[in-house]
Amino acid sequence: AQSVTQPDIHITVSEGASLELRCNYSYGATPYLFWYVQSPGQGLQLLLKYFSGDTLVQGIKGFEAEFKRSQSSFNLRKPSVHWSDAAEYFCAVATGTGFQKLVFGTGTRLLVSP
Amino acid sequence: DTEVTQTPKHLVMGMTNKKSLKCEQHMGHRAMYWYKQKAKKPPELMFVYSYEKLSINESVPSRFSPECPNSSLLNLHLHALQPEDSALYLCASSQELAPIYEQYFGPGTRLTVT
Repeated sequence: AQSVTQPDIHITVSEGASLELRCNYSYGATPYLFWYVQSPGQGLQLLLKYFSGDTLVQGIKGFEAEFKRSQSSFNLRKPSVHWSDAAEYFCAVATGTGFQKLVFGTGTRLLVSP
Repeated sequence: DTEVTQTPKHLVMGMTNKKSLKCEQHMGHRAMYWYKQKAKKPPELMFVYSYEKLSINESVPSRFSPECPNSSLLNLHLHALQPEDSALYLCASSQELAPIYEQYFGPGTRLTVT
């Protein structure tokens, strides 16, 4: 079954610095990949998704992600982090019959220092 | 309007109680989901409804009973829960049951079982 791994539990970034959150997937074919963000006490919000085509995907809030088949990765990036970006970030993959189910990675908590 | 509402926000119940969680959306979405999220863990899919019919049950114990009375409403009936069932219960909806359609999440109901 498809799965995703997020190797970083916590990351601290200074405000204004660039950000990269790592996500690795396991699947032989092209997976359906997603990045979600969850602020404290909130539900999840979709930042971006990749199904096929251009490997650099633009999302909301200034985020982008790059699909790299050779590295089985789908890393999330932002050029300049704002304090409001502090949250939990989940990478996810669609799996199951018809790819109808989302399976989430363990998440990376982003802390933003002043 | 891209809002999914969930009530109540918080719920404390004893192991012999019966309670229900409610989820509502008015986006015309035909797929609705229940997820369970334990503290510091990713969301885990429990149930999926498509066109008001149960499409996916992730082998959830029978003390959790979902119901989709109409296309806008999703309930989760709880009975004889265990303390380990304490978690954040998230509802989501999407236009159809397919990965190309974004899932919109509600803020969740935080359940404590005493």
